[in-house]
Amino acid sequence: AQSVTQLGSHVSVSEGALVLLRCNYSSSVPPYLFWYVQYPNQGLQLLLKYTSAATLVKGINGFEAEFKKSETSFHLTKPSAHMSDAAEYFCAVSRGGSNYKLTFGKGTLLTVNP
Amino acid sequence: EAQVTQNPRYLITVTGKKLTVTCSQNMNHEYMSWYRQDPGLGLRQIYYSMNVEVTDKGDVPEGYKVSRKEKRNFPLILESPSPNQTSLYFCASSFIQQGNEQFFGPGTRLTVL
Repeated sequence: AQSVTQLGSHVSVSEGALVLLRCNYSSSVPPYLFWYVQYPNQGLQLLLKYTSAATLVKGINGFEAEFKKSETSFHLTKPSAHMSDAAEYFCAVSRGGSNYKLTFGKGTLLTVNP
Repeated sequence: EAQVTQNPRYLITVTGKKLTVTCSQNMNHEYMSWYRQDPGLGLRQIYYSMNVEVTDKGDVPEGYKVSRKEKRNFPLILESPSPNQTSLYFCASSFIQQGNEQFFGPGTRLTVL
């Protein structure tokens, strides 16, 4: 069974600082990996996804993530945090097969301090 | 506008009173799915559907039913809700292709008293 571990349920950064949200996955086959963002009282919005093309994936709002097979990681980064980045972030994996289910991590709440 | 809609957005009900949460998408997606979100647990899949009249259980199907009579609609039915079904529910849809983005609805916050 595949699983996703997000290290740190709550990350706090200052405005302008680097954002690093960690995600490790376990999967017996090469996975499809996603980062979603959830703003308060809203649904989930796709930030970026890895589907076995380039290992460095660029997404919306200046976010990017690097797929590292040797470390089974897919960490999300942004060079400079903005107040509007405050939200909950979910890493998810899909292994394919007959169900296109997304297996989610437990989420990381990002707080951006002025 | 391409979107997934859910109704109602908020619902407070009592134990045992049957309810239905509707989900509709306008993107002609074959795949639709229901997830529930609980604090500290992330999102877990309840049921999914690969196409009309094709549904199957996800990870936490107990206490829920679904139907897929039309491609665009995928209602979630709670025949006899219980307090442990108090949660935030999301419907999602996508085309059937590996690695495709799933589009999520705005969520339905359900409280069962």
